[in-house]
Amino acid sequence: GAGVSQSPSNKVTEKGKDVELRCDPISGHTALYWYRQSLGQGLEFLIYFQGNSAPDKSGLPSDRFSAERTGGSVSTLTIQRTQQEDSAVYLCASSTLGAGELFFGEGSRLTVL
Amino acid sequence: GESVGLHLPTLSVQEGDNSIINCAYSNSASDYFIWYKQESGKGPQFIIDIRSNMDKRQGQRVTVLLNKTVKHLSLQIAATQPGDSAVYFCAEKKNDYKLSFGAGTTVTVRA
Repeated sequence: GAGVSQSPSNKVTEKGKDVELRCDPISGHTALYWYRQSLGQGLEFLIYFQGNSAPDKSGLPSDRFSAERTGGSVSTLTIQRTQQEDSAVYLCASSTLGAGELFFGEGSRLTVL
Repeated sequence: GESVGLHLPTLSVQEGDNSIINCAYSNSASDYFIWYKQESGKGPQFIIDIRSNMDKRQGQRVTVLLNKTVKHLSLQIAATQPGDSAVYFCAEKKNDYKLSFGAGTTVTVRA
């Protein structure tokens, strides 16, 4: 597609389960970002990829969170042993190298029961 | 804490009036600023951006003003329409890649 695609759009899981969230960036965009948005809040930076490498993981909340990117394209954000406080919308964005504007996907809404 | 923030969490405006949304930032080294609009259930959508070497930039019905002296950013929307109801975020770029976002202002347009 022409935009950033994220899946699943909604995920309900039980506390303690692992979840994987997927992001397909815009074709040709080398930079990829993950942000988290809790209800009624702003966007919290999680991680940044340039190609397949992640020079900035400073926003990952704990070691239960990890992300990878393969082939300079698709990225997966994994949350292990989910907790209720992980409930949020996880937003992915991509951009070309050196560009200012980030293009966002629609987000994956995670609910941990 | 966040270095980018908005003065008011909510703004109610009459349809047809102009809207002004304000944002203060604390990092004087930031050189790029963006306004995003987020409608319910959707991802943020780019509205307009401005670099630190400018103090004003205009788009379609929108104007962004940057006052580096007081580290203030504003978004003006002319002739506000019902479709402008959304949450508006300002964001600053502190280095080559990371955008930091404020908490957002919810704009409600009254018919």
